[in-house]
Amino acid sequence: LAKTTQPISMDSYEGQEVNITCSHNNIATNDYITWYQQFPSQGPRFIIQGYKTKVTNEVASLFIPADRKSSTLSLPRVSLSDTAVYYCLVVPGGFKTIFGAGTRLFVKA
Amino acid sequence: DSGVTQTPKHLITATGQRVTLRCSPRSGDLSVYWYQQSLDQGLQFLIQYYNGEERAKGNILERFSAQQFPDLHSELNLSSLELGDSALYFCASSSRGGAGELFFGEGSRLTVL
Repeated sequence: LAKTTQPISMDSYEGQEVNITCSHNNIATNDYITWYQQFPSQGPRFIIQGYKTKVTNEVASLFIPADRKSSTLSLPRVSLSDTAVYYCLVVPGGFKTIFGAGTRLFVKA
Repeated sequence: DSGVTQTPKHLITATGQRVTLRCSPRSGDLSVYWYQQSLDQGLQFLIQYYNGEERAKGNILERFSAQQFPDLHSELNLSSLELGDSALYFCASSSRGGAGELFFGEGSRLTVL
């Protein structure tokens, strides 16, 4: 299984764009890159998933370079309510969805 | 509301006891995952079932067991409980067994005294 490495924590201010980068050097051909958000005492919530290039939805963008060894979650114009833990996962085409330690994002006023 | 239902929401018990946590997946989802999250820790993958069959196993203790029933609900059994088993236990479901989106329940908070 591909291991992921992401920053332990990040600080930002309201209204700024936040980019969280995750490295996954041994990603396999059939692996997808998925990001989840978790608030305290709540289950994680799916944000976005991609395989290559760029994916955008109503809450975030995911940038994946051609070698797929890293990915960047971009959160536009964060607000205080975006303070949470963000998990980068490399999900195999098979099973065993493993969460890493995640990145604690703290958004300040 | 993710559509995944977990019961009970809170449970307090004593060391050495046994508890059962229940999960009802979203309608139509065949895959159920169980995770353990201790205070300020990450999510530890325990086990996954797909359409009644065990598909993947994580670092699940031998004192823990799980199953998925024909109606697709799942139960996680925790026995000979220890203080360190106190945690939030999350169930998630997905329509497929692979790279699809996981939908998480609100969790069952277990406190072992």
